Amino acid sequence: SQQGEEDPQALSIQEGENATMNCSYKTSINNLQWYRQNSGRGLVHLILIRSNEREKHSGRLRVTLDTSKKSSSLLITASRAADTASYFCATSSYNFNKFYFGSGTKLNVKP
Amino acid sequence: NAGVTQTPKFQVLKTGQSMTLQCAQDMNHNSMYWYRQDPGMGLRLIYYSASEGTTDKGEVPNGYNVSRLNKREFSLRLESAAPSQTSVYFCASSVLPPGTGSTDTQYFGPGTRLTVL
Repeated sequence: SQQGEEDPQALSIQEGENATMNCSYKTSINNLQWYRQNSGRGLVHLILIRSNEREKHSGRLRVTLDTSKKSSSLLITASRAADTASYFCATSSYNFNKFYFGSGTKLNVKP
Repeated sequence: NAGVTQTPKFQVLKTGQSMTLQCAQDMNHNSMYWYRQDPGMGLRLIYYSASEGTTDKGEVPNGYNVSRLNKREFSLRLESAAPSQTSVYFCASSVLPPGTGSTDTQYFGPGTRLTVL
């Protein structure tokens, strides 16, 4: 399976701190995406990083990709209570049109 | 522009009953997907439709059938529901299939919570 695995499974921090979560995957990918899911809601796309990119920023989000280690990290800086959600990585391959999601990191930001 | 809509929001079935989950998107996307999400787990792909007129199995297709009715609509049918199919079902769409780069970002519906007794 190409499924990504997030680490840690759960993370609890104080508002204002940075949150880092990691994703590892098994096979070659075309791109890797991060999604957020608020409790009881659908997933919302956050950021996409292509396999030939090493780092990407979007607002308070910073994503890195290390294809040699088959891993990615998502950093949320200056976290807010509203960032409380589950975060999933998803990978897609070049030659097959499927998406694989990891099991997610549950982030709790305490006010 | 409603994005991706799903009906119903909640459903309770008895074992052996059948039902169809409906999904529609108004973004003119080519590809559509059905996932299930079980507690504490990520999403698992059930079926997908890369383009109108085509459907393919995903990771967990057993017990399900799909129909890509037109470009907008993609339905998921449970012919004989089982307790193991208790889950939250998400429909998603993307401009193009995964593997095509930035255009394969998926947009998700709000989900259908299904309980099979």
